[in-house]
Amino acid sequence: AQSVAQPEDQVNVAEGNPLTVKCTYSVSGNPYLFWYVQYPNRGLQFLLKYITGDNLVKGSYGFEAEFNKSQTSFHLKKPSALVSDSALYFCAVRTYNTDKLIFGTGTRLQVFP
Amino acid sequence: DADVTQTPRNRITKTGKRIMLECSQTKGHDRMYWYRQDPGLGLRLIYYSFDVKDINKGEISDGYSVSRQAQAKFSLSLESAIPNQTALYFCATSDISGKYNEQFFGPGTRLTVL
Repeated sequence: AQSVAQPEDQVNVAEGNPLTVKCTYSVSGNPYLFWYVQYPNRGLQFLLKYITGDNLVKGSYGFEAEFNKSQTSFHLKKPSALVSDSALYFCAVRTYNTDKLIFGTGTRLQVFP
Repeated sequence: DADVTQTPRNRITKTGKRIMLECSQTKGHDRMYWYRQDPGLGLRLIYYSFDVKDINKGEISDGYSVSRQAQAKFSLSLESAIPNQTALYFCATSDISGKYNEQFFGPGTRLTVL
């Protein structure tokens, strides 16, 4: 069965420091991986995706993610965090033979001034 | 995303009442989805529809039903609401290449069942 794990419920980082939000996945077949962000009282917004090709994917708002097949991970990163990055982040996965998106439980990112 | 709208945005109801949540989209997408979000559980798929005549159950469909009235409209019904259906409900859409492309989410409906 497909699954996604976000091992950290919350990540705290000081503004200006690099941030990493972790995601690991378990699928049969090639994974299609996504990151979404949810700001308070808003729906989910797409950040970036990995389908194939370059393992480093760049997305919106300066975020990037690195696909690591051997470690089955797709960690979200940003070189310099902003207070406005504080939000709930979701990793999601789907495979070629299904159109269903499986979400992780979410990681709350708190960036302190 | 303003292209996907949900009504109502907030609803408080009582146990046993019938509730309908509505979703409309102007993106021209064929595929529509209903999710619920619970703290610590992420988003879970309730139902999904690939076109007007194709409706499928998700992982937590019990207690829910849906109607795809048109390409642009997908409604979720709770026939007899119960307190553990209190949650944040999201509608989403994707185009026909859904496996490659992202889903676009509405702003959500916060439902409280007393």
